[in-house]
This record gives sequence, C-alpha cells and structure tokens, in this order.
Amino acid sequence: DAGITQSPRHKVTETGTPVTLRCHQTENHRYMYWYRQDPGHGLRLIHYSYGVKDTDKGEVSDGYSVSRSKTEDFLLTLESATSSQTSVYFCAIQRQGIQETQYFGPGTRLLVL
Amino acid sequence: DAKTTQPNSMESNEEEPVHLPCNHSTISGTDYIHWYRQLPSQGPEYVIHGLTSNVNNRMASLAIAEDRKSSTLILHRATLRDAAVYYCILLTSGTYKYIFGTGTRLKVLA
Repeated sequence: DAGITQSPRHKVTETGTPVTLRCHQTENHRYMYWYRQDPGHGLRLIHYSYGVKDTDKGEVSDGYSVSRSKTEDFLLTLESATSSQTSVYFCAIQRQGIQETQYFGPGTRLLVL
Repeated sequence: DAKTTQPNSMESNEEEPVHLPCNHSTISGTDYIHWYRQLPSQGPEYVIHGLTSNVNNRMASLAIAEDRKSSTLILHRATLRDAAVYYCILLTSGTYKYIFGTGTRLKVLA
C-alpha cells in the first residue's frame, strides 16, 4: 500500500467553512497527487506536487489549494467549501523505480451541506 | 492528452477468461498504456502497463495491437474478487499526470 494514509477518512462540513485534508506517506516519494472522484466519473486530478514546496495545478484545481512543507505530507485545502466539492478525495504517490505507476490512499469521503 | 475509449460494462462468469478492450487511436509513440482497477470503496490499484510488447504479470496480461491503437487487458481466470472498475490510461513518458476516463465496470457471475 506504499505507506499512504489519509485523514480524516470521513468528514461532514457546512458550506463556507474551510476544510483541510491530509495525505501522509512513509516512503519518501517525490511525487504526490490529489484527485477527486464523483459518481459516474473517473478520478480527476486536482493538484500535484513534485517536491517540497513544488506544486502544480491539475484539471479541476479551482477552489482548492495545496501545500507541501515536508516530503511526507501533502495537504489539500478547501478555503470555503461548497456543495459541489462533496466528493471522495484520493491521494496518490508515484513510487520511484517503478516507471510512472501510482499508488493510491484509501480515500476521504467529504460531504458539504 | 490522448484519450481512451472503453465499454461501460462487461460481465464474465467466474473462472473464465476476461478480455477488457481499450481503444486509443490517437496514441503517440511515447505514450505508455497503463491499466488500473478500482475495487468497491477503495482507491485505484495498479494492474499492468506496457509500451509496445505484450506484458504479463501475476495479476493479468496486456496485449497491445501492432499499431498500438488498441489494447486488451486479459484476466486469465476471473474470480469474484476481480469485480471492479478497470481503467485504461495513456501516460506520456516523462509526464506524471494520469487522465482517467470512466472505465469498464466488470461484473463477475458466480
């Protein structure tokens, strides 16, 4: 499982409140990713990181920010949550030595009321 | 980014082989073909990947057409635990971003 944990695993929040999701890895991988998955859709990339303090946007980055102050943690923040951000959020890492394959965390189920 | 096309759903009987097709007619020479699957209530997991030649691993086989415009994931003996959504993804060498489609939902019948 590449030592990936996500917290919290479930969260219910209200519209307009800030929310931070945490992804933690234990294997010192350089690349980390945040995706969201909605019913009827595959995963869509929100943001990714290619090193400490190095991040870039994915295809659905509006309304989200990320931070990576140390290798093992990649944080996803919803500054002001909206109902459209109700989703399942997956973190992933790219394992070095295995060409460009990603390993995913267990997911965080977020409900914005 | 090159796109893939997969059937929405397929069914298979338990212990029979399953062939999951994927079309990628706009594939470029540096695109790798990756397959992932997602079991219910879990994150996707890597299955197999290849560039030009057919590939085998403990989970599955990947058959790539000679023109690379299509590929087939082969599960040699489907089990109930193989029921999942299977994603075919193209990844350009040197890039690190997957584009997921909606995948194929495989149902395995006992």
